[in-house]
Amino acid sequence: DGGITQSPKYLFRKEGQNVTLSCEQNLNHDAMYWYRQDPGQGLRLIYYSQIVNDFQKGDIAEGYSVSREKKESFPLTVTSAQKNPTAFYLCASSPRGTYQPQHFGDGTRLSIL
Amino acid sequence: GESVGLHLPTLSVQEGDNSIINCAYSNSASDYFIWYKQESGKGPQFIIDIRSNMDKRQGQRVTVLLNKTVKHLSLQIAATQPGDSAVYFCASIIQGAQKLVFGQGTRLTINP
Repeated sequence: DGGITQSPKYLFRKEGQNVTLSCEQNLNHDAMYWYRQDPGQGLRLIYYSQIVNDFQKGDIAEGYSVSREKKESFPLTVTSAQKNPTAFYLCASSPRGTYQPQHFGDGTRLSIL
Repeated sequence: GESVGLHLPTLSVQEGDNSIINCAYSNSASDYFIWYKQESGKGPQFIIDIRSNMDKRQGQRVTVLLNKTVKHLSLQIAATQPGDSAVYFCASIIQGAQKLVFGQGTRLTINP
């Protein structure tokens, strides 16, 4: 089955540590996205990538970094500079083109120890 | 910019009744809209989309209505079932932009 796989489902970080969240898709989609969701809130865009080796900042990129070395992979690193990292992180992908819905993975919940 | 808001954060309906979830958007240049369903602990699931050149689109048990005059869209779910209980989000894209803007969601509860 085609889809988006996020791992791990739960992740714990100590203060001062960087952590990397994995996102892999086998849908052959060109575009990939990372969102952050806080309790009772909508989704906010962190970074997105329309093509391999290129990515753009979203609305809340500070304290995060990404890479897009392969079409199917778009890992997100939450750095120690992110002061409030506890949240539910969602990865999405979509085909190229404006009128294409984004499809989501099942998220990674990050907590601070 | 664009902001998207849902009219009610929670909605309760009886099983078998029809549900209507409303959403307003601010930017008249928004030209693509999507409804998502999110169950607890999972990612949003695509339900239905509509482009601004349409007023209505139907899927299986769902209908999306778009009123560009008042910048409002709604999601109608027919004959609601217990499995319809979830948080529903609307999202929009401004013409020429690449980013979806999400509303804060409406929690739909189906009462037996």
